[in-house]
Amino acid sequence: DSGVTQTPKHLITATGQRVTLRCSPRSGDLSVYWYQQSLDQGLQFLIQYYNGEERAKGNILERFSAQQFPDLHSELNLSSLELGDSALYFCASSVTSGAETQYFGPGTRLLVL
Amino acid sequence: AQSVTQPDIHITVSEGASLELRCNYSYGATPYLFWYVQSPGQGLQLLLKYFSGDTLVQGIKGFEAEFKRSQSSFNLRKPSVHWSDAAEYFCAVGARGRRALTFGSGTRLQVQP
Repeated sequence: DSGVTQTPKHLITATGQRVTLRCSPRSGDLSVYWYQQSLDQGLQFLIQYYNGEERAKGNILERFSAQQFPDLHSELNLSSLELGDSALYFCASSVTSGAETQYFGPGTRLLVL
Repeated sequence: AQSVTQPDIHITVSEGASLELRCNYSYGATPYLFWYVQSPGQGLQLLLKYFSGDTLVQGIKGFEAEFKRSQSSFNLRKPSVHWSDAAEYFCAVGARGRRALTFGSGTRLQVQP
């Protein structure tokens, strides 16, 4: 158990819908990262927040957004969902904002029908 | 840009045999290197990491990896594989000042009895 929690574990929804994925970092970690794992793209970095502020953006679609709240939990919002958004979404956390060790949560498996 | 190559998509070994999973990276500066393991339906668990110093690093579950700068490699090894090691293994690279990790495409390990 990494100490990073993600909810829900599974999510099934329809095209065009909007969903919110939630992540709680390890105690004491200030950074949260979101990654997407799909069969065709592998593990791709989406976005990072540090202590409530956006710090880095990767291959994140404009339909996707994220935020980190004062209690340091983070939410990833996915809207206007398409079939291709079906994937495993991971959250990771680390103590600071650099590239030191990131600890991953169990992931949320999203299926868009 | 950083990149990570795991040349072996799928490897099968017999239980008790030795294991080496290959990882090659491309990055101009000194990399931070990681190996993660993902069991079916699970998140990513950190096996070991290299930041600096001794180029042979020990990890959990009896794994070790050796950083070879001249070969841009960070291969993962285990002297005797157990059936519970069957999983997918990911090599990742980060760097000081960069937020995201870049992952390889993964190597799926199958262990035969």
